Amino acid sequence: DGGITQSPKYLFRKEGQNVTLSCEQNLNHDAMYWYRQDPGQGLRLIYYSQIVNDFQKGDIAEGYSVSREKKESFPLTVTSAQKNPTAFYLCASSPWTANYGYTFGSGTRLTVV
Amino acid sequence: EDQVTQSPEALRLQEGESSSLNCSYTVSGLRGLFWYRQDPGKGPEFLFTLYSAGEEKEKERLKATLTKKESFLHITAPKPEDSATYLCAVQARNQAGTALIFGKGTTLSVSS
Repeated sequence: DGGITQSPKYLFRKEGQNVTLSCEQNLNHDAMYWYRQDPGQGLRLIYYSQIVNDFQKGDIAEGYSVSREKKESFPLTVTSAQKNPTAFYLCASSPWTANYGYTFGSGTRLTVV
Repeated sequence: EDQVTQSPEALRLQEGESSSLNCSYTVSGLRGLFWYRQDPGKGPEFLFTLYSAGEEKEKERLKATLTKKESFLHITAPKPEDSATYLCAVQARNQAGTALIFGKGTTLSVSS
């Protein structure tokens, strides 16, 4: 079945560490996105990519980095520069026009310990 | 600034008690309005896309409508399994790419 796979489901980060969240899709979608979800804040856009080897910053890109070397993959790195990384991270993909909405992954919950 | 506001933040209903959720939006030009359902600890699930004022879409007990300033998600005779957070999002014409702007959601609880 086609879909988006995020891994791991739970991730713990020590202070000063960089961690990478995986996102893979087999829907042949052109565009991919990363959102952060905090209680009471809704979904906020971190980065998005519409084609391979190209990506744009969203509203809260500081402290995060991404790459898009393959159409199927859009990993997110949470760097030590991100001061408050504890959150639920959602990856999504869509066809170029997004007329049918996004398909979301099941999310990764990141906790700083 | 493009903005999406959902109300109420939380809604408690008895099984069979119909109600509506509101999504007000301010965008320079609307390309599409989207409704999603999200269960705790999971990713959002796509429900509807609306494109122009007057448009309506239905799915089981849910019906979404759109005006020039807001959208409503009507829930008719809800069941406990309809309990979830409902998210509204818009795609604006002046926004590069296909990124959506989300509201904060309405958490619906239906008790039997």
